[in-house]
Amino acid sequence: EIVLTQSPGTLSLSPGERATLSCRASQSVANNYLAWYQQKPGQAPRLLIHGASRRATGLPDRFSGSGLGTDFTLTISRLEPEDFGIYYCHQYGSSPLTFGGGTRVEIK
Amino acid sequence: EVQLVESGGGLIQPGRSLRLSCMTSGFTFGDYLMSWVRQAPGKGLEWVGFIKSKTSGGTTKYAASVEGRFTISRDDSKSIAYLQMNSLTIEDTAVYYCVRHTCGGCYMNDYWGQGTLVTVSS
Repeated sequence: EIVLTQSPGTLSLSPGERATLSCRASQSVANNYLAWYQQKPGQAPRLLIHGASRRATGLPDRFSGSGLGTDFTLTISRLEPEDFGIYYCHQYGSSPLTFGGGTRVEIK
Repeated sequence: EVQLVESGGGLIQPGRSLRLSCMTSGFTFGDYLMSWVRQAPGKGLEWVGFIKSKTSGGTTKYAASVEGRFTISRDDSKSIAYLQMNSLTIEDTAVYYCVRHTCGGCYMNDYWGQGTLVTVSS
């Protein structure tokens, strides 16, 4: 099983600032099949990035994903008020599918 | 429009069984792999298991935490996926999400339901 470790646990930032979220895998993710999700209270997760760097349809370009192998990054170039929430990485390159523990992005 | 609607959640005693349903519309259900993901209160996401489309073999796979207790099935004629949960424990308390994947054997997903809450308590 691939274990995904996300850091930091919490990111306290102000609107307009840059957010950098990390996801490290215990072994290489096949085909870089790594996705990022955003979740807000009481809502289902929303797909942001798949294939490590491909934006979901309609996602603003302030969101970008990068990385390969075992180290992946989600960057939000300029935080908007609606970007605050919990972000999860998810590997779907091999079964069992696994999720990271999440990074909370909160308003400073 | 793709829609996934979970039902069947509620309060259940430890050791009992419960079946969740995921009613779908807006796509050809039989062509897609379907999975279940759960989220315990205040915790992260945990993949529960999946069922492939019949044309991809119809195989199922489960997380170690539910293997042997949970069973995923599908009724392609009704466009419904099921999660049969037996021998429930307090640790199974969670919101259960139904998830559609991008093809019959693909591990990438694209649509989630809104979830149904299962509370296991005496």
